[in-house]
Amino acid sequence: SAVISQKPSRDICQRGTSLTIQCQVDSQVTMMFWYRQQPGQSLTLIATANQGSEATYESGFVIDKFPISRPNLTFSTLTVSNMSPEDSSIYLCSVEDQGVYTFGSGTRLTVV
Amino acid sequence: AQSVTQPDIHITVSEGASLELRCNYSYGATPYLFWYVQSPGQGLQLLLKYFSGDTLVQGIKGFEAEFKRSQSSFNLRKPSVHWSDAAEYFCAVVLGHTGGFKTIFGAGTRLFVKA
Repeated sequence: SAVISQKPSRDICQRGTSLTIQCQVDSQVTMMFWYRQQPGQSLTLIATANQGSEATYESGFVIDKFPISRPNLTFSTLTVSNMSPEDSSIYLCSVEDQGVYTFGSGTRLTVV
Repeated sequence: AQSVTQPDIHITVSEGASLELRCNYSYGATPYLFWYVQSPGQGLQLLLKYFSGDTLVQGIKGFEAEFKRSQSSFNLRKPSVHWSDAAEYFCAVVLGHTGGFKTIFGAGTRLFVKA
């Protein structure tokens, strides 16, 4: 299965700033996904990012807050913009490869 | 609406005892079914998956799961739990979705293992 490198692994950020999270895959994949896992909760899909097209956002998530780039088939970024303490979560990228979903190790974000 | 239910928020078992984590889904057809494990501070690791065929699937770390269509369930089992199994376990289903597929996760079950 695909191997995902996600960074940073954690960060502490000031409110009002932005953080960009990177996700690098060791193979070419069509679909990449970004999830949020709020403290003590399950994973919630933020958006699906396909190369060459705009990301598709789930209900409750908007591009202005979570802009996503997908410049090629092995890389994607998620930016958390104008952060507030409510954005403190773990953010994970995921890829689908032959029906199996593999996850990065996550980025633990704390907004102070 | 499609949903995944893990009725147990947390479970405590003794080391060496058997384990069963429950998962029920709500979907009109048979979805793809997965179990993931998340250790503290880590990402998710795939334990096993069910697409079709034999309803009893074997995974890594000695885990298995059984798909029961009549009960819309996909319960995870392990005959003898080890202390290193303490983690959060997520059941997930993959459904057809506009533009592709999407994964829906259960709320998770935290497993505590006591000596």
